[in-house]
Amino acid sequence: DAEITQSPRHKITETGRQVTLACHQTWNHNNMFWYRQDLGHGLRLIHYSYGVQDTNKGEVSDGYSVSRSNTEDLPLTLESAASSQTSVYFCASWAGRSTDTQYFGPGTRLTVL
Amino acid sequence: GQNIDQPTEMTATEGAIVQINCTYQTSGFNGLFWYQQHAGEAPTFLSYNVLDGLEEKGRFSSFLSRSKGYSYLLLKELQMKDSASYLCAVLGDDKIIFGKGTRLHILP
Repeated sequence: DAEITQSPRHKITETGRQVTLACHQTWNHNNMFWYRQDLGHGLRLIHYSYGVQDTNKGEVSDGYSVSRSNTEDLPLTLESAASSQTSVYFCASWAGRSTDTQYFGPGTRLTVL
Repeated sequence: GQNIDQPTEMTATEGAIVQINCTYQTSGFNGLFWYQQHAGEAPTFLSYNVLDGLEEKGRFSSFLSRSKGYSYLLLKELQMKDSASYLCAVLGDDKIIFGKGTRLHILP
C-alpha cells in the first residue's frame, strides 16, 4: 500500500544546530507540503513543491529550506535551529486533482533547547 | 489576504448532533476539505465539497455555500470517539490553507 512516512518521529536538538527532517511518499504524487502545527495557530504552511526541482515558500518559511531532487522525497532543513521552531511538523502529499485529498505523514515532534 | 475562521471549541453530548461552522475568504476557490485530528495524531480526511450543497457520508455531512464563503460539518449520533479537532481547509489557486481547527468535546 502507498504511504507517506516521516523521520525521525521525535528529535531534540540545540539552538544553532542544523536539523533535517525527512519525508518520503510512495503515492507518486507531484505535490508535497510541509506544515508546522502549534497551539493557537493550527496548521501553517512552511514550504511546498509541485514537482522535481520545484520549491515554493509558504506563510512561515523564514529559517527553513527544502529541496526536491526526486518525486518521493521532500526533506525540510532548519538552517540554524531556534527555540521558536519547537513544534510538530507534518509532511503531506497530494495528487493535485481537485477531488483528491492530502495524505499526511505521522508527524515529527521537534524540540529545540 | 486569506482567512479561514471556525470556532475554537465546542461541547456536545453523546448521541446528539453538532454543527461546526467555517467561513473563508481566499484568493481563488477550488474546493473545501474537512479533516479530523485526534490529539497527537496526523489529520485524516473526512469530506470534500466543491459545489454548493450537502454531501452526506454516514454520520458525517458537509455543506458548502460558495456565494457566502461558508461551510459546515454536521456530526450525527455523536460517539465518544468523535472527541477530536476538526479542521476546515480551502484549496485556493495553488495550495491548501487550513483554519485553526475546532476542538470538539463530547460529554457522556
